[in-house]
Amino acid sequence: QQQVKQSPQSLIVQKGGISIINCAYENTAFDYFPWYQQFPGKGPALLIAIRPDVSEKKEGRFTISFNKSAKQFSLHIMDSQPGDSATYFCAASMGSGGYQKVTFGTGTKLQVIP
Amino acid sequence: NAGVTQTPKFRVLKTGQSMTLLCAQDMNHEYMYWYRQDPGMGLRLIHYSVGEGTTAKGEVPDGYNVSRLKKQNFLLGLESAAPSQTSVYFCASSTPTDPATNEKLFFGSGTQLSVL
Repeated sequence: QQQVKQSPQSLIVQKGGISIINCAYENTAFDYFPWYQQFPGKGPALLIAIRPDVSEKKEGRFTISFNKSAKQFSLHIMDSQPGDSATYFCAASMGSGGYQKVTFGTGTKLQVIP
Repeated sequence: NAGVTQTPKFRVLKTGQSMTLLCAQDMNHEYMYWYRQDPGMGLRLIHYSVGEGTTAKGEVPDGYNVSRLKKQNFLLGLESAAPSQTSVYFCASSTPTDPATNEKLFFGSGTQLSVL
């Protein structure tokens, strides 16, 4: 059972445009929602994360929007750049402060074209 | 600071062969994990460890065994490889003791395994 659904599977965006990736979860026990960025041949790396007590978190060009009632969250990449081309995974986890039981989405391959 | 190091980076096995993947971390992290990544399926947890000498099953443990004899190392074994185990394997680590990073997973660069 896929507890975290991610869409779209792939995304092509023009340089300078906005990239939007959406995720939905089922288990209300999740208490931490990270996004990981993965470049080809590398392991995923934490990009940005949010807790369910806030509706938005912004770090530079990257913003997470969180809708607790709808059990949905999304990543927005403003002014997308070719260097942002990567695969993005949303995730949801529980077990704050200790062992992290993390459930990943299926990934979105983003291509930013000049 | 190397972080999480995985060896080997690539491996080709024949069905029925065995092998061990090695993960080493130099961050003194308590927790270590093995994931597999398959197209369209994201990352799925195989086994994890919350400390030296302890291991537990994750989401997809069948066909794999693990050991954590030293805090810095986490080994993933395939006793009799099957084509369904063709995948990219990632090791990760985390720590509960640093409030700034206690929910962050630190990943290695992966091992690409093909079973023919």
